[in-house]
Amino acid sequence: AQTVTQSQPEMSVQEAETVTLSCTYDTSESDYYLFWYKQPPSRQMILVIRQEAYKQQNATENRFSVNFQKAAKSFSLKISDSQLGDAAMYFCAYRDTYSGGGADGLTFGKGTHLIIQP
Amino acid sequence: EPEVTQTPSHQVTQMGQEVILRCVPISNHLYFYWYRQILGQKVEFLVSFYNNEISEKSEIFDDQFSVERPDGSNFTLKIRSTKLEDSAMYFCASSRQGAAEQFFGPGTRLTVL
Repeated sequence: AQTVTQSQPEMSVQEAETVTLSCTYDTSESDYYLFWYKQPPSRQMILVIRQEAYKQQNATENRFSVNFQKAAKSFSLKISDSQLGDAAMYFCAYRDTYSGGGADGLTFGKGTHLIIQP
Repeated sequence: EPEVTQTPSHQVTQMGQEVILRCVPISNHLYFYWYRQILGQKVEFLVSFYNNEISEKSEIFDDQFSVERPDGSNFTLKIRSTKLEDSAMYFCASSRQGAAEQFFGPGTRLTVL
């Protein structure tokens, strides 16, 4: 079974600074998807960014980017120019590649609580 | 922008009672999911549903749970006889055919007394 590990229970960053959240995963598959979800105090799960394992290029969405290291099974999230609204729990998630007939669930890590210091 | 909706936002029930949690997935999505998050813990997959049947389920999804798509828009999770440990946030999610991303609803907080 796949596992996702987030080793940082909590991170703190000054507003406007850059912070990196770590995630490692374990899988025997060669093709899969990785995601970062944000969960603010409202507890809504919001998709931040996704990465396909077959793509070598790291995904970027505005101030959010990932560092995907397939061989190391590492998938970190970098948040640039941190804003107060970025304060939330961040969950790393894994999903096998869709393979006709399967609707695979996501496997989540335990999350990292990100604090933004004004 | 279309979104997944869930009702109620908070449900309080007595142990042993049946509850039904409701979800309206995004209209052109074909895959539906339920997840559970016990307070302070990670989000856990319960079940996926496609073409009017369960596609996958986790070990958590035992005989006390069932899912149904009673009409063209709703997707429900029924817990037959609730236990104290069923207290959690329950998230519904949906995805398009062939898409990897799952979009989550705002969740239903279930409290079992």
